[in-house]
Amino acid sequence: GQQLNQSPQSMFIQEGEDVSMNCTSSSIFNTWLWYKQDPGEGPVLLIALYKAGELTSNGRLTAQFGITRKDSFLNISASIPSDVGIYFCAGQAIQGAQKLVFGQGTRLTINP
Amino acid sequence: DTEVTQTPKHLVMGMTNKKSLKCEQHMGHRAMYWYKQKAKKPPELMFVYSYEKLSINESVPSRFSPECPNSSLLNLHLHALQPEDSALYLCASRHTEIMGDEAFFGQGTRLTVV
Repeated sequence: GQQLNQSPQSMFIQEGEDVSMNCTSSSIFNTWLWYKQDPGEGPVLLIALYKAGELTSNGRLTAQFGITRKDSFLNISASIPSDVGIYFCAGQAIQGAQKLVFGQGTRLTINP
Repeated sequence: DTEVTQTPKHLVMGMTNKKSLKCEQHMGHRAMYWYKQKAKKPPELMFVYSYEKLSINESVPSRFSPECPNSSLLNLHLHALQPEDSALYLCASRHTEIMGDEAFFGQGTRLTVV
């Protein structure tokens, strides 16, 4: 089945540092979504990407849809304490368009 | 309004109980989803409803029974659950199941089976 490989699994950084995480797949995806999840809460959509090569920003967050359609990255600049949480990439392929496939998540911890 | 509302937020039930989880959205979305999420894992798809009809059942045990009474509501009926069914149950909705739509999630119901 379709799988997304998300890395790194966890990150420990200092406040103010930039963060980068990515997702790769062996199959092509036509939509990439990035979510953040706080403990005990549902995932919150951060950025949606629909076109290969697309670069989209949302405040300090920037995400790109890889040109091969098999990867995406999320960058967070100048991290702050409220950035702590788990970040998930999610993708949607042509086949099985109803399904949203999730990466394993990146757990971000920030030291003040 | 991009809100998906789930109730209850927390639920503790015995293995012989019958309970229901509820999900509501008023965004006009016609695709609604149930996901199960265990600790430190990504959400796992359980069911998809499209235009109030069940379109995907990811081989979920029959002790979980979904229902979509109308385009705004999605229920998950629970009966004779096992302790390993304890998890965060998430509801999500999208405009349609066609590509290019963002999925919005509710806050989830934390279910504990004792």
